[in-house]
Amino acid sequence: DVKVTQSSRYLVKRTGEKVFLECVQDMDHENMFWYRQDPGLGLRLIYFSYDVKMKEKGDIPEGYSVSREKKERFSLILESASTNQTSMYLCASSFRYRVAYLRVVVNTGELFFGEGSRLTVL
Amino acid sequence: RKEVEQDPGPFNVPEGATVAFNCTYSNSASQSFFWYRQDCRKEPKLLMSVYSSGNEDGRFTAQLNRASQYISLLIRDSKLSDSATYLCVVNPISGGYNKLIFGAGTRLAVHP
Repeated sequence: DVKVTQSSRYLVKRTGEKVFLECVQDMDHENMFWYRQDPGLGLRLIYFSYDVKMKEKGDIPEGYSVSREKKERFSLILESASTNQTSMYLCASSFRYRVAYLRVVVNTGELFFGEGSRLTVL
Repeated sequence: RKEVEQDPGPFNVPEGATVAFNCTYSNSASQSFFWYRQDCRKEPKLLMSVYSSGNEDGRFTAQLNRASQYISLLIRDSKLSDSATYLCVVNPISGGYNKLIFGAGTRLAVHP
């Protein structure tokens, strides 16, 4: 079974603190993602990474940064936490494969999520 | 207008009922579609992909209507264990990196 592990299930931080959320996957997936989930808004993509040291902004990257130094690990960093960053943070990974003779890359549509990290910023 | 819209519910149905959810998407060039299920306080998990011709998996049937830009999920013979939030998910691009767009979810509560 694919396992995506997030380091902390619950965190409480103060405004202005630096926050690190760690995510590790054990299935050698190329793609990794950070989402936040808020009531009524659904999941919104913060950042994603398709390879080591590669990152792309999602829909709401402001106030966040990411790091992917190893294939299995994708970290989300809040440089200076604010109360509007109180949310559930979900890490996910997915598999990508190359069809050599067609010269295309295919992303599977299945994301494997971690259990989430509920962050409260006071 | 949201890119993916769902009726938030909740849909309260008795066991054995048939229930259907719809989801509309705004980008007509969207390429692939999925339904995810999220149990209370758990992470989302893929329920099924949605194919152009429609597809069925046991009691679950998913359909796509490209002309009207909506997808649907039909659950027959509802079980208590079907109680969850169902997320409609759209991939707006083809072959590129996954940037799935999630709807806010429809909550289903099945009661005895």
